[in-house]
This record gives sequence, C-alpha cells and structure tokens, in this order.
Amino acid sequence: DTEVTQTPKHLVMGMTNKKSLKCEQHMGHRAMYWYKQKAKKPPELMFVYSYEKLSINESVPSRFSPECPNSSLLNLHLHALQPEDSALYLCASSQYTSGGAGDTGELFFGEGSRLTVL
Amino acid sequence: AQSVTQLDSHVSVSEGTPVLLRCNYSSSYSPSLFWYVQHPNKGLQLLLKYTSAATLVKGINGFEAEFKKSETSFHLTKPSAHMSDAAEYFCVPSDTGRRALTFGSGTRLQVQP
Repeated sequence: DTEVTQTPKHLVMGMTNKKSLKCEQHMGHRAMYWYKQKAKKPPELMFVYSYEKLSINESVPSRFSPECPNSSLLNLHLHALQPEDSALYLCASSQYTSGGAGDTGELFFGEGSRLTVL
Repeated sequence: AQSVTQLDSHVSVSEGTPVLLRCNYSSSYSPSLFWYVQHPNKGLQLLLKYTSAATLVKGINGFEAEFKKSETSFHLTKPSAHMSDAAEYFCVPSDTGRRALTFGSGTRLQVQP
C-alpha cells in the first residue's frame, strides 16, 4: 500500500467554524508533512512531524493546529480561518531514518483537501 | 540550503514533439533531485529521482532527466509529448538535513493537438 489518504476532499467553512483535515498512511513512514498550495503556485511547507513529534513549523498562524496522534495519522485543526486561507492542503509522508542509507527524502503525497473559507 | 530555478514558467508543445523542461540547481554538493508532476486539481506524483547512482534517470510515462554537474542542471525530457502530459511540473531538491522539500516555482506544460 503506497497511498496517502486525505479527507475530506472538499471543505467549505465559515470564518467562525472549527473543522479538521485528516491524513492517513500505512507505509510505515515516520515523517509526515502538511503543505499549503494556492492556485498556480508551488506547494509551501507548513509543518513536519518526525516520529510523531513536531519538528518544523514554518511560522504558520496559530489558527492552524497540527496533531499527530500516531505514526499513521496526521490531522490539521482549523479555527477562525480567513478567506485568504482558501487553498489546497496537501499531506505527504516519507520514510525517515536519521541519516539512514537509502533515505532519499522522497515524499508521497495525498490528493489534497481543497478548502474554501467564506 | 539547496535551491532550484525552473527556467520556464510555461512551455507549450505540439502532441508528438519533444518536451524539454529546464531546471538548474544551486548546491555546494551533489543533491538528491526530484521531478514531481501535478495534474489539474490533483496531488503530486513522483516522476523520477536522482540520488547519485546514475546521471541519466528514467522515470514514469516515458520521461527522463540527466544530472549534469558541470552545468548544475537536471532538465526533464520526453521524446514525444502526449495530451495527457499537460500538467504542472516541479523540480525539487532534497535537503536531507532539513528533511523537507522546497519546491521550485513550477513549469506548466501545455500540449497542443
């Protein structure tokens, strides 16, 4: 199984809502990522989890709150978002061994959750 | 930190003609390099990767790329474009120290019938 599954595929929310995006992988990967992609732009890194611990936070506003309950699951909790947060949110995973041979850093991506904030 | 420059934001070819998407990298050492493809409203799929084992790398769907250290380039090519190749292509260096990928600006490939 080489899939990264993201749900929901589409989400529309108001600025006062609380919602969550979910990402799941069963490849035994120990690193998981959230990227944000605006239209006609490359994906931008938001968060990286390594061994279920947050290792990188790219100065993302606190209205985005990541969570990694276990090595297979990654959530992104959304609260009080702004219309400019509307984007495609991509989850990815990678095999992560600290300095391990053969670990090329290849990422496996889900199809994304398209978020619209009204 | 490693970075790449994708020299063309948009490339248009006719179906059946060759494809060339250009990428130059900036690094003090040989990086790992990837090409990812993104079809409209889809996630990203790995096309191919260079990890120093061989300079000519073959990927999926007939694409290949050659790592040229002397030119610091990793251009993506395909002998004959197909309509289904129309997509956004990203050249991406691997920063193994940072364990995350920073994407190039992307090249949109348009294939004309």
